[in-house]
Amino acid sequence: QKEVEQDPGPLSVPEGAIVSLNCTYSNSAFQYFMWYRQYSRKGPELLMYTYSSGNKEDGRFTAQVDKSSKYISLFIRDSQPSDSATYLCAMSAVGSYIPTFGRGTSLIVHP
Amino acid sequence: GAVVSQHPSWVICKSGTSVKIECRSLDFQATTMFWYRQFPKQSLMLMATSNEGSKATYEQGVEKDKFLINHASLTLSTLTVTSAHPEDSSFYICSARDRGKAEAFFGQGTRLTVV
Repeated sequence: QKEVEQDPGPLSVPEGAIVSLNCTYSNSAFQYFMWYRQYSRKGPELLMYTYSSGNKEDGRFTAQVDKSSKYISLFIRDSQPSDSATYLCAMSAVGSYIPTFGRGTSLIVHP
Repeated sequence: GAVVSQHPSWVICKSGTSVKIECRSLDFQATTMFWYRQFPKQSLMLMATSNEGSKATYEQGVEKDKFLINHASLTLSTLTVTSAHPEDSSFYICSARDRGKAEAFFGQGTRLTVV
């Protein structure tokens, strides 16, 4: 079992839909959780960063962390075609800071 | 967010030559830099981690004599692919983090093609 599991998709949704992207993990030492967006042939862009459990909202994006279930989510409201990309979750432990990445979920938002 | 600049964005080189890729943090001190390799439709594969002023720590299976990493300053790290061969063709990406912070910021990536 990989430390971080993420469904590769593709996930195809119509414009305006609410998108839910998820990752599960097995290492209880992970305390820092990040979501990155990667467009084709580009480096990943940091979208959201959370520490420990809880929710964080930034515009159309909401990140949730449930440490008891070892489950993190990224919600995208009012999805746009420009949101079409690969979304990578990443997490790291205190003191280590070496991120462990999920394999990424390919999202397609069609007009 | 913080800015990491990676150069060049693409390079084509002949088999047997060496290629250097630069990664610069523009507005923060990158105490740690990471180098990744990414194949099409695959996730990021960590190659090595480098801390400023220290030797890089390579992941298992990564040849340190082939992929030379230098992190001589708090804003610059370089990856040199020595004696490149076609199988080294890939997308190489760096990322950097500041001391005491967990979040890392990525460069734009370098597409290397060895012919």
